[in-house]
Amino acid sequence: KQEVTQIPAALSVPEGENLVLNCSFTDSAIYNLQWFRQDPGKGLTSLLLIQSSQREQTSGRLNASLDKSSGRSTLYIAASQPGDSATYLCAVRTSGTYKYIFGTGTRLKVLA
Amino acid sequence: DAMVIQNPRYQVTQFGKPVTLSCSQTLNHNVMYWYQQKSSQAPKLLFHYYDKDFNNEADTPDNFQSRRPNTSFCFLDIRSPGLGDAAMYLCATSRDLGSSSYNEQFFGPGTRLTVL
Repeated sequence: KQEVTQIPAALSVPEGENLVLNCSFTDSAIYNLQWFRQDPGKGLTSLLLIQSSQREQTSGRLNASLDKSSGRSTLYIAASQPGDSATYLCAVRTSGTYKYIFGTGTRLKVLA
Repeated sequence: DAMVIQNPRYQVTQFGKPVTLSCSQTLNHNVMYWYQQKSSQAPKLLFHYYDKDFNNEADTPDNFQSRRPNTSFCFLDIRSPGLGDAAMYLCATSRDLGSSSYNEQFFGPGTRLTVL
């Protein structure tokens, strides 16, 4: 059974710092992994989708990497801004299944 | 802009009084999902439709039902809401269920349900 873990649960950083959010999963046989952002009381915004054949994806200041063999993905945020404050969730779709399993997220606060 | 829309954004109901949440999409995606998310928890899949085919998760209570009358709309019906059903309900879509990027999920803004 796939389990997804995100550590740390919460993180506070000063504005301008580069930071890394971690996502671990127990079953390395995956189709893909998706990173989302969730603002308080809102829905999820898709940030990046990495397919199993890819090692990384980039969008603006965001870079997500995937290491299937170790069951890990990282989301790198460059030059963080107060507007990046939100909860970041990763979701994994295991091969042979149709659904995504979500982590509980990392709550990020970027201090001005 | 193509998008996923949920109505209402906030819903208050009384214990035991049936409630219906609505989701619509302009993406023309084949798959629509309903998730339940409680405070500080991961979203939990309740069920999904692939076109008209309904797929219920094994641990979804019978109290939760869904309808998809056409490609664009999907409804979540809670027949007799209990206090434990208070949560954020998220609707999502994906183009397909295959192994490609077509299974990327797009979420609506959610409906926050309060049960009094």
